[in-house]
Amino acid sequence: DGGITQSPKYLFRKEGQNVTLSCEQNLNHDAMYWYRQDPGQGLRLIYYSQIVNDFQKGDIAEGYSVSREKKESFPLTVTSAQKNPTAFYLCASRLQGGYGYTFGSGTRLTVV
Amino acid sequence: QKEVEQDPGPLSVPEGAIVSLNCTYSNSAFQYFMWYRQYSRKGPELLMYTYSSGNKEDGRFTAQVDKSSKYISLFIRDSQPSDSATYLCAMSVAGGTSYGKLTFGQGTILTVHP
Repeated sequence: DGGITQSPKYLFRKEGQNVTLSCEQNLNHDAMYWYRQDPGQGLRLIYYSQIVNDFQKGDIAEGYSVSREKKESFPLTVTSAQKNPTAFYLCASRLQGGYGYTFGSGTRLTVV
Repeated sequence: QKEVEQDPGPLSVPEGAIVSLNCTYSNSAFQYFMWYRQYSRKGPELLMYTYSSGNKEDGRFTAQVDKSSKYISLFIRDSQPSDSATYLCAMSVAGGTSYGKLTFGQGTILTVHP
């Protein structure tokens, strides 16, 4: 079945650590997105990529980094520079020419 | 001011009620309007999709877009407990550098009681 797989489902980070969230899709979608969701704030765009080896900052990119070496994969690294990383992270993809997103099931990151 | 404002709710209704969910927006360039449903601890799923103004119906769900008022709505008829979820409105421009980027509302939590 086609879809987006995010892993892990739950992740715990110690202060000062970098962690990487995985996002893989087998939908042959061109564009991929990372959003952060906090209670009462909806979804805020972190980074997005329209094609392989190219990506752009979203509205809240500080403290995050991404790569897009393969069409299927768009990992997100939460660096120690992100001061408030505890949140629900959602990865999404979109087919070229389309507007609706397909979302993964999310990763809940908690700082301990 | 946020580009997209959504009534925060939460909403609590009895089974069978008609539910109205609403969003306003400030960017007149938005042309594509969507509603997503998100169950607890899951990713959002696309529920309704509308281009420009007008109404669209799909079963118990009706999406309305009024571009002159910059206002969109989602109506749920004969609401069911399984409709209990967070509903997110989302919008996009038709082209340019922002093509494909969705701007989301804050989400409304809906609970339908049996």
